[in-house]
Amino acid sequence: AQSVTQLGSHVSVSEGALVLLRCNYSSSVPPYLFWYVQYPNQGLQLLLKYTSAATLVKGINGFEAEFKKSETSFHLTKPSAHMSDAAEYFCAVSDLVGAQKLVFGQGTRLTINP
Amino acid sequence: DAGITQSPRYKITETGRQVTLMCHQTWSHSYMFWYRQDLGHGLRLIYYSAAADITDKGEVPDGYVVSRSKTENFPLTLESATRSQTSVYFCASSELDTIYFGEGSWLTVV
Repeated sequence: AQSVTQLGSHVSVSEGALVLLRCNYSSSVPPYLFWYVQYPNQGLQLLLKYTSAATLVKGINGFEAEFKKSETSFHLTKPSAHMSDAAEYFCAVSDLVGAQKLVFGQGTRLTINP
Repeated sequence: DAGITQSPRYKITETGRQVTLMCHQTWSHSYMFWYRQDLGHGLRLIYYSAAADITDKGEVPDGYVVSRSKTENFPLTLESATRSQTSVYFCASSELDTIYFGEGSWLTVV
């Protein structure tokens, strides 16, 4: 069975500082990995995805994530936080092309301090 | 380009009542999903559908019923609502390797 663990339910950074949201996965087959962002009272928006191509994946809004098979990790980073980045972030894993039954982590709430 | 629309967006119902959450997509995606979001659990899959008339259980299907007579619609029914079904429900659809989510339906069972 697949699973995702997001380390830290709350992360707080200062505006302009590095954002690092941690995600570790468990999968018996090569995974597809995703990061989604959720703003208050809205649905989930895809930030980026890893589908076995380049291990460093660039997404929207300046975010990127690196797939590290040896560490079973897919951490999300952004060099300089902006106030608009405040949101809930979800890491998800899937092992089936097409059906895309995503298994989500518990989420990390990112707060940006001015 | 409407994408995925869910209705109602907000609903309060009483224990024991039947509730149906509607989901409509305009892309003709093959796969559709229902997830529920609860604090501390992230999103959990309730049911999914690979095509019209093909549905299957997800992680937390108990107490829910789905149908898919048309590709674009995927309603979720709570046959007898319970307080534990108070949650935010997200419908989603996918094509190739990307899932797209609706805006969510906030359901409170009192």
